[in-house]
Formats: sequence, structure tokens, C-alpha cells
Amino acid sequence: AQSVTQLDSHVSVSEGTPVLLRCNYSSSYSPSLFWYVQHPNKGLQLLLKYTSAATLVKGINGFEAEFKKSETSFHLTKPSAHMSDAAEYFCVVSDRRAAGNKLTFGGGTRVLVKP
Amino acid sequence: DVKVTQSSRYLVKRTGEKVFLECVQDMDHENMFWYRQDPGLGLRLIYFSYDVKMKEKGDIPEGYSVSREKKERFSLILESASTNQTSMYLCASRLGVETQYFGPGTRLLVL
Repeated sequence: AQSVTQLDSHVSVSEGTPVLLRCNYSSSYSPSLFWYVQHPNKGLQLLLKYTSAATLVKGINGFEAEFKKSETSFHLTKPSAHMSDAAEYFCVVSDRRAAGNKLTFGGGTRVLVKP
Repeated sequence: DVKVTQSSRYLVKRTGEKVFLECVQDMDHENMFWYRQDPGLGLRLIYFSYDVKMKEKGDIPEGYSVSREKKERFSLILESASTNQTSMYLCASRLGVETQYFGPGTRLLVL
């Protein structure tokens, strides 16, 4: 079975400061990992994904995430937050060997950006 | 651009009503999914389909059924709506093991 834990349900940062969203996962096999973002009243958009290539993954809008197998973590970072980063972020794990290649979502982290 | 559309953004229904949520994708994806999203719980998989007329139960299928008569359309059915089915419902589609694309969601309120 696979699972995802997002360690913070809410994160508040000031504009221009770094953002760190923490994610730990468990998976029986070599997982694929994703970060999705959901802006208010919008669908989910893919930020980045890890699929067993480079462990440091760069995504859209200046976000990046590092896959650390020893720590079973896939934390999302951005060096400088922008007001438009205010949204909810979901860490997702996919077991490519499971039927239907199902995704398992974390509970989400809501990011507030203060001016 | 991949487009996943859902028939309604907001729905209000009464307890016991039969409810249909429709999802259409325009990229010939074989895999389609229905999730519900609740605060603090993330997205939970209700049903998925990997081909026309094929369906598989997800993690929380109770109280729901699905229909996939055409490749581009995947319908979620609440046979007899209940108040605990008040939620945001998200449809998604995917080609093979690639990225999933999500629709904008339908916010359902059951009174």
C-alpha cells in the first residue's frame, strides 16, 4: 500500500521569502511522485514530477523538489514566494505497478503569502 | 492543450435524488478517474476506467456508480444522494502512465 503525509496543513510566508512544503511518502515499489497546485476555484495543475531520473526536479513557476529515498521525502521549495503562489498544494505518489496506476494524494498544504 | 470539462460547476440536490455528474476529455485518453475532495483529506479515488465499458472501484466507491459508454465521456452517478456526499468532485484523464489532467470540479451540495 502507498500513502502520503503532508506535514503542514497551512504555511504562511511573506512575499519574497523562501517556501518549503514538506511531504513524506511510503510505497512498496519505486514510486513516481508529483506535486500539484490548486488555485481557488480552479482544477489541479501539475507543478512537477519525479519518475526515477534526476533526484532534483525542476517544475513550473520556479518550484523544485528533491527526492530523498533514504528519508522517503519529496519536499517542495521555492526560493522567493510571489503573491500568485497562494494556493493549495498536493503531494502525490503513484505506484506504477498497481492496477490502474492509481494516485494517492496527501491531505494538502494551503499556502498564504503575505505582502 | 488537454481539456477536461465537467458539466456543472455547482449543483444543489435534495436527499434521495439521483445525480449525474458528467466529464468529457478531448485528448483520446484511455484512463479516466473520479475523485472527491474534502478539506484535510486531499483527493480520494471513487472509481476509474481504463477503457470503454471498463470500470474499477477506487478507495471509496460506496454510494456511487459510473458509466463509460464512449471513450471521451465518464459519468459519475449518485443513485440516491445523501448529505454526506456533499463535496467537490473532480474528474481526471490520463494517457497510459503519464500525467493526469484534471477538470475544474463540480461542487455538489446535498440538502
